[in-house]
Amino acid sequence: DQQVKQNSPSLSVQEGRISILNCDYTNSMFDYFLWYKKYPAEGPTFLISISSIKDKNEDGRFTVFLNKSAKHLSLHIVPSQPGDSAVYFCAASAIQGGQFYFGTGTSLTVIP
Amino acid sequence: DTGVSQDPRHKITKRGQNVTFRCDPISEHNRLYWYRQTLGQGPEFLTYFQNEAQLEKSRLLSDRFSAERPKGSFSTLEIQRTEQGDSAMYLCASSLGDKDEQFFGPGTRLTVL
Repeated sequence: DQQVKQNSPSLSVQEGRISILNCDYTNSMFDYFLWYKKYPAEGPTFLISISSIKDKNEDGRFTVFLNKSAKHLSLHIVPSQPGDSAVYFCAASAIQGGQFYFGTGTSLTVIP
Repeated sequence: DTGVSQDPRHKITKRGQNVTFRCDPISEHNRLYWYRQTLGQGPEFLTYFQNEAQLEKSRLLSDRFSAERPKGSFSTLEIQRTEQGDSAMYLCASSLGDKDEQFFGPGTRLTVL
């Protein structure tokens, strides 16, 4: 059972515009969420995280929003740059749990 | 380079053979995780260690899989009697604590013929 879902396998955005990547989860015990970026032939690279006590976390061009009632989080990238083209994974972990659950990823293409 | 390293990067083996992968985490990181990733999927959790103790194992980790972290530093993942379904990218990650971000290695790509 997929507890973390990314329903959009791919997304294309023009350079300079906003990219919005979405993620849904089913387990109400999840309390910590992360976004990773992955380039081909490399391991995932940590991007940004948010704990369940917050509804927004911002780091430069990247902002993560958490809507606990909807069990939904999103990653906003603004302005998008061609170097942002990669596969983005969201991940979640539960209270007092060591396991992280990953979504299936969204491939972002930023068009120059 | 002080990141997570994995060896080998690629492994091709015949069905039925045993393989062993190594992961060297970031030196001060207490937690070490193993994941498996297949095409079109996100990383799937296999197991993790807190120092040398293996604290959690996924049901994906069949009896043919074993992982160790004998001195709380590097870790090995062994797959015995490999099957074609074991073909995947095996990722290792480390973190300082349980709610800290994980730093991933480049992975070991296993192909079972």
